[in-house]
Amino acid sequence: QVQLVQSGTEVKKPGASVRVSCKGSRNSFSDLAMHWVRQAPGKGLEWMGGFDHEDGERYFAQEFQGRVTMTEDTFADTAYMDLSNLRADDTAVYYCAAVPTSRRGYIFDFWGQGTLVVVSS
Amino acid sequence: DTQMTQSPSSLSASLGDTVTITCRASQAIGNFLAWYQQKQGKLPKLLIYAASTLQSGVPSRFSGGGSGTEFTLTVSSLQPEDVATYYCHNYDSAPVSFGGGTKVEI
Repeated sequence: QVQLVQSGTEVKKPGASVRVSCKGSRNSFSDLAMHWVRQAPGKGLEWMGGFDHEDGERYFAQEFQGRVTMTEDTFADTAYMDLSNLRADDTAVYYCAAVPTSRRGYIFDFWGQGTLVVVSS
Repeated sequence: DTQMTQSPSSLSASLGDTVTITCRASQAIGNFLAWYQQKQGKLPKLLIYAASTLQSGVPSRFSGGGSGTEFTLTVSSLQPEDVATYYCHNYDSAPVSFGGGTKVEI
């Protein structure tokens, strides 16, 4: 069973950037494709982007294009999501979600516990 | 981009009832449809993928069906631990999308 442990709560001012990390259990990342999903308070799930293990490309939801960066350090089994130019409506819980590379398509078998990002002046 | 519409947005049922949630896709997605359960304050949990395949460890009272543009999640014999919000998820190809969620109460 894969465990994903995310970094802690962040409080940022509008216009700032935030980095959220997601560390997997040992040697897990070689078999996983990482994605990020967010959930605003009281709202539903919103896919932000991730790595397509079938074509080797990284895709992002249009609203985050140019503002988000997603990287993985496979030696450290850690994924990172950087979001810049934060706005108040970026306040949300951010989840990392992992797809086993044996899957067809983005089926999120494993989830991190979530990281609350609060954007407030 | 494919939009996913769930109905109802919320429902209330009694213990032991059978409840059905519907998810409609704005275009055909084959069977690339998953269902997740999210309890209050918790992370989402994969219940069903490929429209009808039960994830390992998920109780058999959960079942999924459909293909193309219309899908269902059925919970038979509703239990107290089934109180949650349920999301459908189109994972055909990027950009993937979630339905708006259905809150199930008892």
